[in-house]
Amino acid sequence: GAVVSQHPSWVICKSGTSVKIECRSLDFQATTMFWYRQFPKQSLMLMATSNEGSKATYEQGVEKDKFLINHASLTLSTLTVTSAHPEDSSFYICSALSPGSDTQYFGPGTRLTVL
Amino acid sequence: SQQGEEDPQALSIQEGENATMNCSYKTSINNLQWYRQNSGRGLVHLILIRSNEREKHSGRLRVTLDTSKKSSSLLITASRAADTASYFCATDLTGGGNKLTFGTGTQLKVEL
Repeated sequence: GAVVSQHPSWVICKSGTSVKIECRSLDFQATTMFWYRQFPKQSLMLMATSNEGSKATYEQGVEKDKFLINHASLTLSTLTVTSAHPEDSSFYICSALSPGSDTQYFGPGTRLTVL
Repeated sequence: SQQGEEDPQALSIQEGENATMNCSYKTSINNLQWYRQNSGRGLVHLILIRSNEREKHSGRLRVTLDTSKKSSSLLITASRAADTASYFCATDLTGGGNKLTFGTGTQLKVEL
């Protein structure tokens, strides 16, 4: 099956710093990727839709200036959490939409802890 | 907002028994998908059922979809300890651009 990777798998940072998370589709090209956030013992909440070559579309309540998304190539989308605060600590998961399919393939997730 | 409600929230069974999880949703869908998540890990896609399908099988998994009741069920037969995980349904809403809305999840524990 299709493989999606994320890097880093975990990161600890100080409050006020920025953190970049990468999402890569390894064996297929993805024009559309999605970013989700998952708090402990909760479900996944969609943050934004990342489209290659265009601006991301953010869900209601998600600050686009705080969560910067760049989808510069057909295999890479990045999420940058700017000026991170402890309440941003969460599990961030990306997915990539398989071309010509309705199936999203998920990355392994990145656990962000902001001190 | 959460589209899907899953029930039960938690399920504990013995190895070899069947496990059934239910998912309800609120609006029209293109398809409904089931995913598994092991603790602290990413999601594994299990099965996709389209709005015009009523039942689908994949190995020990059986998924049903009743669009009139806006509900779906996932049956895992002859469960194994390795099936212990959280299971989520996710709906691809009509006109939603392939965005998925996840249900609340069912935590399944299969004991030896």
